[in-house]
Amino acid sequence: DVKVTQSSRYLVKRTGEKVFLECVQDMDHENMFWYRQDPGLGLRLIYFSYDVKMKEKGDIPEGYSVSREKKERFSLILESASTNQTSMYLCATRTEGQLYGYTFGSGTRLTVV
Amino acid sequence: SQKIEQNSEALNIQEGKTATLTCNYTNYSPAYLQWYRQDPGRGPVFLLLIRENEKEKRKERLKVTFDTTLKQSLFHITASQPADSATYLCALVRGYALNFGKGTSLLVTP
Repeated sequence: DVKVTQSSRYLVKRTGEKVFLECVQDMDHENMFWYRQDPGLGLRLIYFSYDVKMKEKGDIPEGYSVSREKKERFSLILESASTNQTSMYLCATRTEGQLYGYTFGSGTRLTVV
Repeated sequence: SQKIEQNSEALNIQEGKTATLTCNYTNYSPAYLQWYRQDPGRGPVFLLLIRENEKEKRKERLKVTFDTTLKQSLFHITASQPADSATYLCALVRGYALNFGKGTSLLVTP
């Protein structure tokens, strides 16, 4: 089974800090995704990557950037954390070909104070 | 704009009954639709994928239907158990990524 590991389950950061959220997958999947999930808003796509060094903006990329230097690792960066970025962040991966579901990590609950 | 709608109200049912959850969509022409389960504080877990040319798909106690004319999918859990209590999300592809509905919370009571 594919394993998607997010580096932290809970994280508390201060406003203005640069925050790195790490995601590692162990199955050589091409596609990786970052979502955030908020009550009443559901899952919203921040960024995705379909190959190493390739990235595409999702629906809410403002205030975020990403890095994919190696196939197995996809990092989400909050350039200057703000309180409205307090959320559950979920990383997901999918193999090439669309007839497969996503595999999600366990999530990182980020609180910005 | 593209929308995926699921019942926002929680569904409460008694153990042993069949739970039916609804997913409606607009402004999509999906080749397939997916269903996920999410437990509190955890990431969603993929359950089933149904293609546009499949009317129905089953997996153990789960059954999914897909009506592209009505733009609707129904998700059934037969002989429901308290362990089935969770939030269930439907999802449709948009380009490379998936768009998710907001989910319906299911509570199965003994």
